[in-house]
Amino acid sequence: DIQMTQSPSSLSASVGDRVTITCRASQSISSYLNWYQQKPGKAPKLLIYAASSLQSGVPSRFSGSGSGTDFTLTISSLQPEDFATYYCQQSYSTPGFTFGPGTKVDIK
Amino acid sequence: EVQLVESGGGLVQPGGSLRLSCAASGFTVSSNYMSWVRQAPGKGLEWVSVIYSGGSTYYADSVKGRFTISRHNSKNTLYLQMNSLRAEDTAVYYCARDKVGFDAFDIWGQGTMVTVSS
Repeated sequence: DIQMTQSPSSLSASVGDRVTITCRASQSISSYLNWYQQKPGKAPKLLIYAASSLQSGVPSRFSGSGSGTDFTLTISSLQPEDFATYYCQQSYSTPGFTFGPGTKVDIK
Repeated sequence: EVQLVESGGGLVQPGGSLRLSCAASGFTVSSNYMSWVRQAPGKGLEWVSVIYSGGSTYYADSVKGRFTISRHNSKNTLYLQMNSLRAEDTAVYYCARDKVGFDAFDIWGQGTMVTVSS
């Protein structure tokens, strides 16, 4: 089974900061990597699919990069509505869509 | 509007059963890959099961043999039959649509809470 890790597990940042979250797979998953945002009490929301493709309606300050085992989600200028938990998910080995443990972004 | 609405959650005793429903609007369930994903209180996301458009079904090892995913085409509804429930099945259960060709979940329901406790 493919295992996903994320770092950091949490971070504190200010509005306007550039934020980078890392996701690592236990084996190569090519570009089969998706990113989600989840706010408390709400369903997750797809942000990035296929490692770097922006989902329709998602602000352009979100971007994704990487391939193989190492991936990053970048928020270029953090906005108040971006404080949330972010999850990566591999879609290389399906069925069995493994999620990362999450990264919580909160206000400094 | 494209949306998913879950129902059927609640409190059930260990060993009991529950059936979750997920009603879709704005698209056809049977033409898409549809999954259930759960989230235990304060924990991360765990994929549970998928039904492909062709009807094939797959399950996480943690629920295999206890849960059954199905769909009713004329009702445009997805189901999850959960039997032999355990305390560790306590979670919010989400249904989600697979983005065609990418195995990414692009449409999610609001979630329904399942609590397994005596």
